Amino acid sequence: SYVLTQSPSVSVAPGQTATITCGGNNIGSRSVQWYQQKPGQAPVLVIYYDRDRPSGIPERFSGSNSGNTATLTISRVEAGDEADYYCQIWDTGRDHEGVFGAGTQLTVL
Amino acid sequence: QVQLVQSGAEVKKPGSSVKVSCKTSGGTFTTFTFCWVRQAPGQGLEWMGRIVPIFHSTHYTQKFQGRLTITADESTNTAYMELSSLRSEDTAVYYCASYSESSGGLDYWGQGTLVTVSS
Repeated sequence: SYVLTQSPSVSVAPGQTATITCGGNNIGSRSVQWYQQKPGQAPVLVIYYDRDRPSGIPERFSGSNSGNTATLTISRVEAGDEADYYCQIWDTGRDHEGVFGAGTQLTVL
Repeated sequence: QVQLVQSGAEVKKPGSSVKVSCKTSGGTFTTFTFCWVRQAPGQGLEWMGRIVPIFHSTHYTQKFQGRLTITADESTNTAYMELSSLRSEDTAVYYCASYSESSGGLDYWGQGTLVTVSS
């Protein structure tokens, strides 16, 4: 099955830029979604189709996807951005099964 | 606004089954695809399976084949997830979530249901 690889943790100071990556074999040929999950809460979709933002998600959140790496970028990081972030794709080879990365914990210093 | 409301926490014995419900409001039930995702304590998200009510079609990951049954009742706008032969490793929060082609992702989530498997 398709594997998505994420770094376990990223730390960034407030106001700086956080970069969270998601690796996968030729992931650039797939559409990637990103979810934010805060403790005790359900996940929230923050990026879909690699780079699109649902309504209500700040412009500070952006995404890109090319080659073997998809990237979630959070500009001007705020304390409220501290959360776990998961990348996700649909495995078309397995009847569109959902696949999640292991998640990256973003810590705002 | 679409809302998914799940049933309450459950405590089950090993070997038994659990059935979690996910009632929807604010949308047209038959246009949804419902996915079930679980999260073990301190762990990441795990996609389990899905149902497309309008086609009555389901798909389960191989890991849960034979133990997982996802159904949908259009008369009550409710999707269900039933997991059988429970073991301690099934202790987790179980989420229902709806998929839409317009977003390509899971854009609405239930609040989660904690299932604890313990003797």
